[in-house]
Amino acid sequence: DQQVKQNSPSLSVQEGRISILNCDYTNSMFDYFLWYKKYPAEGPTFLISISSIKDKNEDGRFTVFLNKSAKHLSLHIVPSQPGDSAVYFCAARWGPNAGNNRKLIWGLGTSLAVNP
Amino acid sequence: EAGVAQSPRYKIIEKRQSVAFWCNPISGHATLYWYQQILGQGPKLLIQFQNNGVVDDSQLPKDRFSAERLKGVDSTLKIQPAKLEDSAVYLCASSPGSFSYEQYFGPGTRLTVT
Repeated sequence: DQQVKQNSPSLSVQEGRISILNCDYTNSMFDYFLWYKKYPAEGPTFLISISSIKDKNEDGRFTVFLNKSAKHLSLHIVPSQPGDSAVYFCAARWGPNAGNNRKLIWGLGTSLAVNP
Repeated sequence: EAGVAQSPRYKIIEKRQSVAFWCNPISGHATLYWYQQILGQGPKLLIQFQNNGVVDDSQLPKDRFSAERLKGVDSTLKIQPAKLEDSAVYLCASSPGSFSYEQYFGPGTRLTVT
């Protein structure tokens, strides 16, 4: 049962254009949503987060949007650069009601290729 | 600041053999996580330590996997005996506090079981 879903395994965009990565979730008990970036042969690196009580968070070229009614979030990268080529994981954290089980639940990842 | 260190980076073993992985977290980080990432999937938490105590090991296959964090710093993850389906990247991560969503990952150990 995939509680965090990234339905696009891959995405290809031109340098300078916008990249939009999507993520859907099924559980309303998550309190934070995260995006991690992963290069080959490296561990994931935290990119940006959004609280479940917000609908937008921006950090430089990266913006995350949250639509709670649709249980959907997206990561926008503007403008896209070749160095952004990586696998992007969407993850969600269980809220305080989960007690000690507040693990991160991860999606399958989307491989982004930014072409020069 | 030094990052999370893991060794070995790669390991190939035969099924039914044993293997151990080592992790040294970022200095001062109280929480340490071990994840299993199978090819094409996201990381799955195996065990979470807060200092040297276990916070969550609900997804650790305890019949073959064990982990310890002596003195609340370094940690080892052991598989005994290994199965083919254990082939994966084993990631160690650390964070300053418990239940932190911003976790710092090491480069991982790629295990191949033949």
